[in-house]
Amino acid sequence: GAVVSQHPSRVICKSGTSVKIECRSLDFQATTMFWYRQFPKQSLMLMATSNEGSKATYEQGVEKDKFLINHASLTLSTLTVTSAHPEDSSFYICSASTGRDTGELFFGEGSRLTVL
Amino acid sequence: GQNIDQPTEMTATEGAIVQINCTYQTSGFNGLFWYQQHAGEAPTFLSYNVLDGLEEKGRFSSFLSRSKGYSYLLLKELQMKDSASYLCAVMDSNYQLIWGAGTKLIIKP
Repeated sequence: GAVVSQHPSRVICKSGTSVKIECRSLDFQATTMFWYRQFPKQSLMLMATSNEGSKATYEQGVEKDKFLINHASLTLSTLTVTSAHPEDSSFYICSASTGRDTGELFFGEGSRLTVL
Repeated sequence: GQNIDQPTEMTATEGAIVQINCTYQTSGFNGLFWYQQHAGEAPTFLSYNVLDGLEEKGRFSSFLSRSKGYSYLLLKELQMKDSASYLCAVMDSNYQLIWGAGTKLIIKP
């Protein structure tokens, strides 16, 4: 099946710094990628939909200035957590679909962010 | 509003059969998905139903009734490695995935 790679898998940073997480589709072109946040023992929370060549669509309540998403090519989307705070500590997961209506998502391995 | 309901936690015995139910109310329907997620890992795709009926794939089967807004995931011959969370997700009319909170399945020897 399709492969999505996410990097880094774990990152620890100091409060106030910025962290960038990359999501790559390795063997297919992904016009749309999704970024999720997951708190312990809870389901995935969609943060934003990343569209290649255009601005991301953010879900209600997600600060677009804090969570910067860039979808520079058909195989790469990045999430930058700016001025990170301890409450931003979470598991961030990206996913990509091979088509708009296929629905099957391929997930990256996830990135666990810890802000000290 | 849109809503996906599934039990929070279930316990089953190794070698047995377990059924995880999911009911949904969404604006439109373009398919229902089941994903498996082990603790600390990303979800992996299990099944996709868009028509009524049962889809069988090895030890796992998924059933859908669109008129009832209902699906279940059936796991047979349970193994310890099946201990995980099982997420039900529905694709609505805008092709957005609406996620359930997940069912944590605990397998006991």
